[in-house]
Amino acid sequence: DADVTQTPRNRITKTGKRIMLECSQTKGHDRMYWYRQDPGLGLRLIYYSFDVKDINKGEISDGYSVSRQAQAKFSLSLESAIPNQTALYFCATSDFRGGEVQYFGAGTRLSVL
Amino acid sequence: AQSVTQLDSQVPVFEEAPVELRCNYSSSVSVYLFWYVQYPNQGLQLLLKYLSGSTLVKGINGFEAEFNKSQTSFHLRKPSVHISDTAEYFCAVSVPGADKLIFGTGTRLQVFP
Repeated sequence: DADVTQTPRNRITKTGKRIMLECSQTKGHDRMYWYRQDPGLGLRLIYYSFDVKDINKGEISDGYSVSRQAQAKFSLSLESAIPNQTALYFCATSDFRGGEVQYFGAGTRLSVL
Repeated sequence: AQSVTQLDSQVPVFEEAPVELRCNYSSSVSVYLFWYVQYPNQGLQLLLKYLSGSTLVKGINGFEAEFNKSQTSFHLRKPSVHISDTAEYFCAVSVPGADKLIFGTGTRLQVFP
């Protein structure tokens, strides 16, 4: 079983709909991250959380919100999806004792029509 | 602020040939450096990392990278590539203690038979 699990793996939605992407991890890490990947732009950080009570904006947080329900769960929401949020989304985790190495889920491919 | 530049968006190479993927970074403080690989339809996984010490770092699958502080570079090399090395490769930087990665835009390595 994967250590970092993202659901769903693929999602198609319509403009204006609310959508939630979920991430859970069994690595016991305290730090979790959400990124989006766009062709030619690499990965950009949306939000990150260093523990359950700590949520921080990344470089592209507008239009997104997050919830850290437990140490192992970190959800990303699009309150009102728009077409330019069509992208590949990745969740990642890290351990402060791990030399800042991050471990990634398999990704969620989101299309907003 | 830190930034990462991957100079080549695509690198085509024949099987068993050597390859170098270039990465330059910008930072006014010391950094950690990473190379991640993304195989088709998968998340990112760590190839290698430089935290301190020896400037030549060996990673998985026969890859290595050399940290060059004066040139602010961290180029990735492999002496003989295989078809299975076809993937996208990302260089990333973090400031020690910040636990946030800044990614380059990626280099797509295509290995031809």
